[in-house]
Amino acid sequence: QSALTQPPSASGSPGQSVTISCTGTSSDVGGYNYVSWYQQHPGKAPKLMIYEVSKRPSGVPDRFSGSKSGNTASLTVSGLQAEDEADYYCSSYAGSNNPYVVFGGGTKLTVL
Amino acid sequence: QVQLVQSGAEVKKPGASVKVSCKASGYTFTGYYMHWVRQAPGQGLEWMGWINPNSGGTNYAQKFQGRVTMTRDTSISTAYMELSRLRSDDTAVYYCARPITPMTTVTGSSDWGQGTLVTVSS
Repeated sequence: QSALTQPPSASGSPGQSVTISCTGTSSDVGGYNYVSWYQQHPGKAPKLMIYEVSKRPSGVPDRFSGSKSGNTASLTVSGLQAEDEADYYCSSYAGSNNPYVVFGGGTKLTVL
Repeated sequence: QVQLVQSGAEVKKPGASVKVSCKASGYTFTGYYMHWVRQAPGQGLEWMGWINPNSGGTNYAQKFQGRVTMTRDTSISTAYMELSRLRSDDTAVYYCARPITPMTTVTGSSDWGQGTLVTVSS
């Protein structure tokens, strides 16, 4: 049950777009369309931004989008805003016979 | 609106046990699984397991098997997570989290408790 791989940091200027990757295996990211992305500000609980690879919960701006290719999922934040600066975590459902959930290590997004 | 309200911070000695509660409101408690996730200071999120509040069935992460017990009391819409044989590296914020979709564990969690800090120190 190894963690998914995310870059430790990403950055962009206001108005720009940034993409964060999340790499797993065929047993998790590549095997299921059940990748989620969370945003977490310091001292706060995580907030669901994307689920089932590309679906947005109600209230999440359409500046946030998700996709997947093979064993790698991606979160793209378009039109960066100051309030987007936060930690972002991906997660995936995994393991058909003995199911579990695995998270990525997190990416610190800095808005320059 | 959906609310998950967790119990307060705890300080425990190594070897002790801790039981964290998560009281749900604003939805049918038995209609959604409940995950437990923890976050050590300055670290990432770590999934611990889930409970089906309807049946009481559980599934624990391999890492915690034998040390964690998840239960629920449907009469008061509350889920519990008990972790035993605590070590210093169990110091973390523990969260309960409800999936966005009913009766499934595969989707993301749209509702989270406020977190409970458990400190393990001699």
